[in-house]
Amino acid sequence: EIVLTQSPGTLSLSPGERAALSCRASQSISNSYLSWYQQKPGQAPRLLIYGASSRATGIPDRFSGSGSGTDFTLTIRRLEPEDFAVYYCQRYGSSPMYTFGQGTKLEIK
Amino acid sequence: EVQLVESGGGLVQPGGSLRLSCAASGFTFSSYGMNWVRQAPGKGLEWVSYISSSSNNIYYADSVKGRFTISRDNAKNSLFLKMNSLRDEDTAVYYCARDRGYCSGDSCYYYFDFWGQGNLVTVSS
Repeated sequence: EIVLTQSPGTLSLSPGERAALSCRASQSISNSYLSWYQQKPGQAPRLLIYGASSRATGIPDRFSGSGSGTDFTLTIRRLEPEDFAVYYCQRYGSSPMYTFGQGTKLEIK
Repeated sequence: EVQLVESGGGLVQPGGSLRLSCAASGFTFSSYGMNWVRQAPGKGLEWVSYISSSSNNIYYADSVKGRFTISRDNAKNSLFLKMNSLRDEDTAVYYCARDRGYCSGDSCYYYFDFWGQGNLVTVSS
């Protein structure tokens, strides 16, 4: 089973700063199988990035995804107040079909 | 506008059963695979189950295999999750999510593009 490990667990930054969230897979995965989601308190997750680097519809261009193989990064350029949330990476595969990372909480410093 | 609305959650005793529903609208339901994802209180996301558009392919997480059954009714644009032999650790908010699996060129993509608002299931005596 491929495990996704996200780091850091919590990231404390100020609005206007740049955030870099890491997602590391225990084995190499295809870029097209890696996605990122944002979840705010009391809300459902929202798709941000699919295929490791493609922004979902309506997602601001300050969000970008990169990486390949086992190391992937979600970057948020110039943090806005509404960006403070929990972020999850997800991978498609087998046994199980989908796996999520444990999440990174992005909090206001 | 795509909408997914879950219902059927609530309080159930350990060992009991519950059936969740997800009503879909705003898209051709019969053309998409669907998933259930859950989130225990204060915890992360856990994929639970997948069903293909025609119900031909069904998959479960090991944690629910043999206890949960996913199904769908394309005529009624509805997704279901029958949960039996419920345990304390099944307590969670359950989300239905649309599966966006497709191939373009040499690559195939798989992700969840729309989610319901979630429905709380509490297993407790």
